[in-house]
Amino acid sequence: GAVVSQHPSWVICKSGTSVKIECRSLDFQATTMFWYRQFPKQSLMLMATSNEGSKATYEQGVEKDKFLINHASLTLSTLTVTSAHPEDSSFYICSARIDSYEQYFGPGTRLTVT
Amino acid sequence: GQNIDQPTEMTATEGAIVQINCTYQTSGFNGLFWYQQHAGEAPTFLSYNVLDGLEEKGRFSSFLSRSKGYSYLLLKELQMKDSASYLCAVSDSNYQLIWGAGTKLIIKP
Repeated sequence: GAVVSQHPSWVICKSGTSVKIECRSLDFQATTMFWYRQFPKQSLMLMATSNEGSKATYEQGVEKDKFLINHASLTLSTLTVTSAHPEDSSFYICSARIDSYEQYFGPGTRLTVT
Repeated sequence: GQNIDQPTEMTATEGAIVQINCTYQTSGFNGLFWYQQHAGEAPTFLSYNVLDGLEEKGRFSSFLSRSKGYSYLLLKELQMKDSASYLCAVSDSNYQLIWGAGTKLIIKP
């Protein structure tokens, strides 16, 4: 149980375009979903926390107009990177939480912006 | 501020035992997690400690001392597949995970 999927697993896009990444909890309803970014050889960096039906809470330094998060249901959250630039190239990971306990991670999406 | 410290890199020999330490200073404490992350993959859950003491799970054990703000992950009978990064994370007063930078563990034959 507690499986989280992400789609796509990797994507290459041109600078200036937008990319949408989906995060789904497959066998449970997640009260909260998290979006992380991880650069090579660095730890996870929390970008935002989202609860179903409400606006996401962004971490300091994360542009909410650039990284659009929609949490439409208890099983789906999407992250849209708008007007992507090469510096946005990174490994994006979502996680879902049922209660206050454990976060279940998706497999990650590797984004490359050319 | 909130801070999680763990060594950047450790090297150990196949079949041996290694202990990865983690010290933390956070606003509130609702448990400490250890995750394993192989290169290019998402983290996978290893252990959760919220009370003082040792939690054993197969070859992996995790210890917590809340008064010292200290935890360690103990890996026994090391295998080559254990080569990975090990992330320490603390759940703070808002149940938000504060992450350490991770310890890269290199296993040599």
